[in-house]
Amino acid sequence: GQQVMQIPQYQHVQEGEDFTTYCNSSTTLSNIQWYKQRPGGHPVFLIQLVKSGEVKKQKRLTFQFGEAKKNSSLHITATQTTDVGTYFCAGFSGSARQLTFGSGTQLTVLP
Amino acid sequence: DSGVTQTPKHLITATGQRVTLRCSPRSGDLSVYWYQQSLDQGLQFLIQYYNGEERAKGNILERFSAQQFPDLHSELNLSSLELGDSALYFCASSVDGGASYEQFFGPGTRLTVL
Repeated sequence: GQQVMQIPQYQHVQEGEDFTTYCNSSTTLSNIQWYKQRPGGHPVFLIQLVKSGEVKKQKRLTFQFGEAKKNSSLHITATQTTDVGTYFCAGFSGSARQLTFGSGTQLTVLP
Repeated sequence: DSGVTQTPKHLITATGQRVTLRCSPRSGDLSVYWYQQSLDQGLQFLIQYYNGEERAKGNILERFSAQQFPDLHSELNLSSLELGDSALYFCASSVDGGASYEQFFGPGTRLTVL
C-alpha cells in the first residue's frame, strides 16, 4: 500500500535557526497537505500543494512539492518558540483513495 | 476551535470492555474521518464516511466499527479492548469526501485501557 515517510522524526533547533522537514511517498501523489499539531492539541491544516514543482509561502514557512509529485518539504526560516509542534505531511493518491499521513517531525525550539 | 466536537474527552476502561466515541462534524461538512494516534506515533487512518455511507477504509481492526447517522454525527465503537488500543482517537470532517479538501480535526478522545 501507499507509504509516506517523513524525516527527521525529531529536530531540536535554537530560536532563530532554520528548520526543514522532508516527506517522501512510495507512489505518485495527486496532492499533498501539511498539518501542524501543537503539544496536547489536534492537527491543524496548514496548506495543500497540487501542482508538480509548486512552491507556496506562508510568512516564514515555505512549502514545496517535487517535480515528480513524490516528495515535499516544509522549510521554516528563523524559527520562533511558537513554531513548536509536530508537522505532518499527508498525501493522496488515486489508488489509495485516502489521505496517508507521514509519521511527523516533532520540532523543539530552544529559546 | 475547529467546529468539530468529540465526546468524551477522556475514557478509562478495562480490557475486554466496549466503548463508543462520538463525533459531531462542522456544520455543513458531509464527510467524517476517524484516526488513531498512539504515543509518539503518527496518525493512522481508520475509516471515512461520506453522507452516511462508508467511503474508505484504512487499518481498522475487526473489533472496531463505525457509522455515520442521518444527522451526520458519527460514532466509533471499540470492542474487546486490549491494552494496545490505548491511544488518542481523532475525528475529522471535511466539506466533501474527496481528498483535495482540508480536514478539520476535533480535540480528540484519549482512551486508556487498563
